[in-house]
Amino acid sequence: DVKVTQSSRYLVKRTGEKVFLECVQDMDHENMFWYRQDPGLGLRLIYFSYDVKMKEKGDIPEGYSVSREKKERFSLILESASTNQTSMYLCASSLGGMRLNTEAFFGQGTRLTVV
Amino acid sequence: KQEVTQIPAALSVPEGENLVLNCSFTDSAIYNLQWFRQDPGKGLTSLLLIQSSQREQTSGRLNASLDKSSGRSTLYIAASQPGDSATYLCASRYKAAGNKLTFGGGTRVLVKP
Repeated sequence: DVKVTQSSRYLVKRTGEKVFLECVQDMDHENMFWYRQDPGLGLRLIYFSYDVKMKEKGDIPEGYSVSREKKERFSLILESASTNQTSMYLCASSLGGMRLNTEAFFGQGTRLTVV
Repeated sequence: KQEVTQIPAALSVPEGENLVLNCSFTDSAIYNLQWFRQDPGKGLTSLLLIQSSQREQTSGRLNASLDKSSGRSTLYIAASQPGDSATYLCASRYKAAGNKLTFGGGTRVLVKP
């Protein structure tokens, strides 16, 4: 079974802190994604990566950066946390390329609260 | 830009009734469509993936259909149980967006004992 593991289920951070959210997948997937989920707004893509050291902005990249130094690990960085970044963060992975069978698998989510 | 819509936003049924969940999308040039389940405060669990060349997929009590010409997918859950209570989301991967998924807003389902 594919496993996508996020480093924390719950995090509480202070405004202005630099925050790292880590995600690891064990299926050698090329693609990895970071989403945030907020009530009434659904899932919104922050960044995605289609290969090591390759990244592409999603719909809401402002205030975030990412790092993918190894294929299995994709990190989301909040450069200076703000209260409007309080949210549920979800990591996902899938096979890459123009295949039809690119099933996406999600981690368990990280509930981040910025105070 | 692809838009994915799920109506209704919430649904309540008595135990044993069949569930029918709808998903519509605006761009029929898709690679695939995926259905997910999400329990409160948790991540998304993949239920079914339908490739663009397929008309339906089945897994146990779940059956998903895909009609690209009308831009619709339907998830059927037979003989619903209280444990089926969750939010169900559909997402399409469409060709213009490469590997990115576009999500619907979800349907929150409550199955009453």
